[in-house]
Amino acid sequence: GQQVMQIPQYQHVQEGEDFTTYCNSSTTLSNIQWYKQRPGGHPVFLIQLVKSGEVKKQKRLTFQFGEAKKNSSLHITATQTTDVGTYFCAATSDYKLSFGAGTTVTVRA
Amino acid sequence: GAVVSQHPSRVICKSGTSVKIECRSLDFQATTMFWYRQFPKQSLMLMATSNEGSKATYEQGVEKDKFLINHASLTLSTLTVTSAHPEDSSFYICSARDALGVAEAFFGQGTRLTVV
Repeated sequence: GQQVMQIPQYQHVQEGEDFTTYCNSSTTLSNIQWYKQRPGGHPVFLIQLVKSGEVKKQKRLTFQFGEAKKNSSLHITATQTTDVGTYFCAATSDYKLSFGAGTTVTVRA
Repeated sequence: GAVVSQHPSRVICKSGTSVKIECRSLDFQATTMFWYRQFPKQSLMLMATSNEGSKATYEQGVEKDKFLINHASLTLSTLTVTSAHPEDSSFYICSARDALGVAEAFFGQGTRLTVV
């Protein structure tokens, strides 16, 4: 399946600050999905990006798909304690999802 | 959104015994379900694709005789960990996508397996 690399692995953020997590592939992706997994929970779908250069927003979350469709980013503004968890990007190939390593976010008040 | 129910959420078993994990799509039909394994603080590793009415497709390195998958209906897939050993202890998660091709994957709650 598609191999997606995700950085950083850990992100420790001061409440109220912004941060970005990145997802990169060596091959062109048909689409990219983002999931959030809370500690002890299961992954929950956040969004899918399909078009080159696509940008989608969900409140304080901004998702972007690169022009070459080889990278994607998730930017969170004004981080809150509810943002704690691990954020995964995932690429689809042959109807299967391959997940990045995830970025685990912790927030200090 | 759609609901995928996974049972049990936690199980402790003795070495050498077998454990069955169930994954049900509650409000949609899933011709395909996926089984993942997740180690602590790591990503989800796809183990196999479960196909309704046919044999599962296993990823490279996953023992098909060790991890038996059955997808008997459009709403139920089971994973049986046979002759479990402590190294099989892990978090197992199933997911499903709507038969109509909706993009997102819906995940079960996961099963924490501990083999003692």
